[in-house]
Amino acid sequence: KQEVTQIPAALSVPEGENLVLNCSFTDSAIYNLQWFRQDPGKGLTSLLLIQSSQREQTSGRLNASLDKSSGRSTLYIAASQPGDSATYLCAVSGNTPLVFGKGTRLSVIA
Amino acid sequence: GAVVSQHPSRVICKSGTSVKIECRSLDFQATTMFWYRQFPKQSLMLMATSNEGSKATYEQGVEKDKFLINHASLTLSTLTVTSAHPEDSSFYICSASDQGSSTDTQYFGPGTRLTVL
Repeated sequence: KQEVTQIPAALSVPEGENLVLNCSFTDSAIYNLQWFRQDPGKGLTSLLLIQSSQREQTSGRLNASLDKSSGRSTLYIAASQPGDSATYLCAVSGNTPLVFGKGTRLSVIA
Repeated sequence: GAVVSQHPSRVICKSGTSVKIECRSLDFQATTMFWYRQFPKQSLMLMATSNEGSKATYEQGVEKDKFLINHASLTLSTLTVTSAHPEDSSFYICSASDQGSSTDTQYFGPGTRLTVL
């Protein structure tokens, strides 16, 4: 059974810092991995999708990497801003339906 | 881009009543729709997968007689929580895909906050 773990559960950083969020998964037989953003009481916004054959994806200040063999992904946020404050979820798609981690709650302090 | 809406965004109901939540794909035809439940500070848990015109496939531990799913058209799926109880209070999120596989991109709705008194 696929399990997805995100570390840390919560993170607070001053504005301008670069930061890394971690995601690990137990079954490396995945089709793709996605990073989402969720604001309090809201739905999900897809940030980046990495296919299993890819190593990384970039969008603006965000960069996501994937090491399928070790079951790990990182989301790198450069020059963090208060507007980046949200919960970041990673999810993997494979032989089972999309499986989500519990997320990392990020607070960027101005 | 692909947009998925949910209605209502919030609902409060009395214990024992039934509540219907709608999920619509606004600008594409959703071959497959997914229903998730999210408890506070927890991850999204898939409840069921529905394909247009066929019965939904429920995940283990989800009562299909309690959570009725109807996917009558390519743009609409409904989730009805029957005889709701306080423990059913949660955030329900739907997603939709224009392909037939759960490995394809899913577009998520904004969610529905259900509170059962």
